[in-house]
Amino acid sequence: GDQVEQSPSALSLHEGTGSALRCNFTTTMRAVQWFRKNSRGSLINLFYLASGTKENGRLKSAFDSKERYSTLHIRDAQLEDSGTYFCAAEDMGYKLTFGTGTSLLVDP
Amino acid sequence: DPKIIQKPKYLVAVTGSEKILICEQYLGHNAMYWYRQSAKKPLEFMFSYSYQKLMDNQTASSRFQPQSSKKNHLDLQITALKPDDSATYFCASSQDRHAEQFFGPGTRLTVL
Repeated sequence: GDQVEQSPSALSLHEGTGSALRCNFTTTMRAVQWFRKNSRGSLINLFYLASGTKENGRLKSAFDSKERYSTLHIRDAQLEDSGTYFCAAEDMGYKLTFGTGTSLLVDP
Repeated sequence: DPKIIQKPKYLVAVTGSEKILICEQYLGHNAMYWYRQSAKKPLEFMFSYSYQKLMDNQTASSRFQPQSSKKNHLDLQITALKPDDSATYFCASSQDRHAEQFFGPGTRLTVL
């Protein structure tokens, strides 16, 4: 079945630095969503992309359907950015296939 | 105000019993979904509904039955519960097919 490979599984950043998360897809996907899980376990929507790039504050995401990947860039990381980030790829039907998540820890 | 309500937040059941998980969305969306997250696994798609009609079913077991009494409701009935059914069940909705999905806070089910 469809698979989404998310990396890294864990990431530690110093405040003010940045990095990128990546998801690779085993098949062509129609769109991608990025979420952050908050302290209560709720999924917070970050981005929805069918192509190209989107930026929101210190976050930027890109999706390349042909090359089968998506990235989430975080710059100038803040303590409150700590949490677990998930990508989820939308196939040609209704289904979202989730990655295994990246646990981000931002320290002072 | 929460836009997608799931009830209850926590649920404990005994093996063999039956439970109903409630989901209501107040986003005016036409499509609704159920996902499940078992321990240490990614969220897994279960069902999708559009305009109260089943569109996709990726759940092998007939013990899981969605019920849509209204356009903004999609409940999940689970019969003959097993310990392996223990998981957090998430409801989601989107405006239509191929649109951004928004998730409820989940119902954490424990089957003893």
